[in-house]
Amino acid sequence: GQQLNQSPQSMFIQEGEDVSMNCTSSSIFNTWLWYKQDPGEGPVLLIALYKAGELTSNGRLTAQFGITRKDSFLNISASIPSDVGIYFCAGRLPGANSKLTFGKGITLSVRP
Amino acid sequence: DVKVTQSSRYLVKRTGEKVFLECVQDMDHENMFWYRQDPGLGLRLIYFSYDVKMKEKGDIPEGYSVSREKKERFSLILESASTNQTSMYLCASSPGTGTDYEQYFGPGTRLTVT
Repeated sequence: GQQLNQSPQSMFIQEGEDVSMNCTSSSIFNTWLWYKQDPGEGPVLLIALYKAGELTSNGRLTAQFGITRKDSFLNISASIPSDVGIYFCAGRLPGANSKLTFGKGITLSVRP
Repeated sequence: DVKVTQSSRYLVKRTGEKVFLECVQDMDHENMFWYRQDPGLGLRLIYFSYDVKMKEKGDIPEGYSVSREKKERFSLILESASTNQTSMYLCASSPGTGTDYEQYFGPGTRLTVT
């Protein structure tokens, strides 16, 4: 099936640093979503993007829907310890109704 | 706020047992989903439902069935639990109308089959 690529699998940053994560695919997506999952919990929706080129912020988080519709990125600025978790991207293929395709996630660690 | 609840956070069952995982959402969403999450494999769709009494297979339906008798409730059934079904199970719902494809997840049920 279609895949969304997220790499690397893990990222380690210092508190206060900015971090950027990409999500790429060989297919075009109509919707991009970014989720964060804390240990032992379900994923929580961070940002939803619906138009190519769209740039949306949510506090210290900024995400963009790539112009080619084949990628998206998430930026976290001025990281803090509670940013630790797994960050997933998800996309909706054209004609996929309500099903989403998920990336495998990036585990972010923040060193105090 | 959308709220998706799952009946248990942790569950331990024996091989061969029939297992029921319940999910309830309170936002009148049309669509509901069941995923399992395993290290290195990400989220994999088991089944989903876009209406009461309607269901569709996801990517890994083998060994599972589902039931949606009421709009707010979606049950996942393991007919005869096996050790390879030990996993984190996540339920999600989405409005399913217009451009509302955002899925909202429950807290998950960590199932161990011994």
